[in-house]
Amino acid sequence: GDSVTQMEGPVTLSEEAFLTINCTYTATGYPSLFWYVQYPGEGLQLLLKATKADDKGSNKGFEATYRKETTSFHLEKGSVQVSDSAVYFCALSEKGGSEKLVFGKGTKLTVNP
Amino acid sequence: GAVVSQHPSRVICKSGTSVKIECRSLDFQATTMFWYRQFPKQSLMLMATSNEGSKATYEQGVEKDKFLINHASLTLSTLTVTSAHPEDSSFYICSARSQTGSYEQYFGPGTRLTVT
Repeated sequence: GDSVTQMEGPVTLSEEAFLTINCTYTATGYPSLFWYVQYPGEGLQLLLKATKADDKGSNKGFEATYRKETTSFHLEKGSVQVSDSAVYFCALSEKGGSEKLVFGKGTKLTVNP
Repeated sequence: GAVVSQHPSRVICKSGTSVKIECRSLDFQATTMFWYRQFPKQSLMLMATSNEGSKATYEQGVEKDKFLINHASLTLSTLTVTSAHPEDSSFYICSARSQTGSYEQYFGPGTRLTVT
């Protein structure tokens, strides 16, 4: 079945450092790919998404590119802030996000001032 | 943005009792809601898909008689854990799917269930 593997945390960075959280997937079809973020005490929020190969999703300075050849969707940000501290989940859906989401285990990011 | 609430946020119950968790879409209508379960340091696992006015669709391995789902209106779905046992202790998260636009799923903040 479909699955998502993302790098285990926790990840601790200093403010303004470069962030990469790796995510790879296994899917039978051509899934849509997502990054969700969960801030403390809140529900998951969609951070960005990409629906086909070579698409780049971006939001709030975060980016991820849908790489079909490497089945990857790595999350990057050039300069993290303390407010980026949260848990990040990579996910896929075979039907554009309206149906079943398959999640990775989540990566906790802590950014220190 | 679209907001989904869950109630209660935390609940502690004794083994053998039943617990009901509510999931509400506050500012939009949702014909479809999803219930997930999350174990510590694990990913969210879909338990069931709840459709307004019809029976829920359960994922393989999820006991439908233990986890009762009711989606009686376009803004409310409930999950009842019947005859709870300590192994049911977990973090339960719901999401509601928008009926318009990108049909995105919006997530609630989750409910921490502890069965003693």
